[in-house]
Amino acid sequence: NAGVTQTPKFRVLKTGQSMTLLCAQDMNHEYMYWYRQDPGMGLRLIHYSVGEGTTAKGEVPDGYNVSRLKKQNFLLGLESAAPSQTSVYFCASSYAGRRSPLHFGNGTRLTVT
Amino acid sequence: GQQLNQSPQSMFIQEGEDVSMNCTSSSIFNTWLWYKQDPGEGPVLLIALYKAGELTSNGRLTAQFGITRKDSFLNISASIPSDVGIYFCAGQTESSGGSNYKLTFGKGTLLTVNP
Repeated sequence: NAGVTQTPKFRVLKTGQSMTLLCAQDMNHEYMYWYRQDPGMGLRLIHYSVGEGTTAKGEVPDGYNVSRLKKQNFLLGLESAAPSQTSVYFCASSYAGRRSPLHFGNGTRLTVT
Repeated sequence: GQQLNQSPQSMFIQEGEDVSMNCTSSSIFNTWLWYKQDPGEGPVLLIALYKAGELTSNGRLTAQFGITRKDSFLNISASIPSDVGIYFCAGQTESSGGSNYKLTFGKGTLLTVNP
């Protein structure tokens, strides 16, 4: 099993450009999440999904949109990238329920110039 | 929102030494989790704690869920070079639906082990 796979691994954007980060999981998990990691800030939740066709805002949702058209995929979109969105983005997934740990992908490093 | 205070921010130790790090919060959590992140990779779960007072070990790692539910610590005994990485605590509150999407992460402890 691949677990949680994120593509691309690295990307450089110019301010105002758009892009989509892809996340795929092969563990049949119900829940999926997008986090961003910045130095000294830990992991902050951007958006999450508790099932196919549903999404919800996390702690820092502004400037991002998400879609979960298929259970195994969770897409994170930046419509108009800003330098403040330079970060490492992690996707995670889990089963529903309290004792279901998050499984993380290996991250996408995004730089916006 | 809820915040976790994780300390220390960084540690430099010699191989063989024991390490201790902790997280505190002004909020009560129902679950405490400890993750490790290696360079260039995503965090990986080390230990999960589900009951106040619970003490759990995973090899050389030991973690405890504080009695007040507002803190947790992680100890690493006899450190080795591969223990290098960033360690994160995370606290979870129980939502009405029992879902686990409300995790709050600490800012991490960067551990460096000198051989």
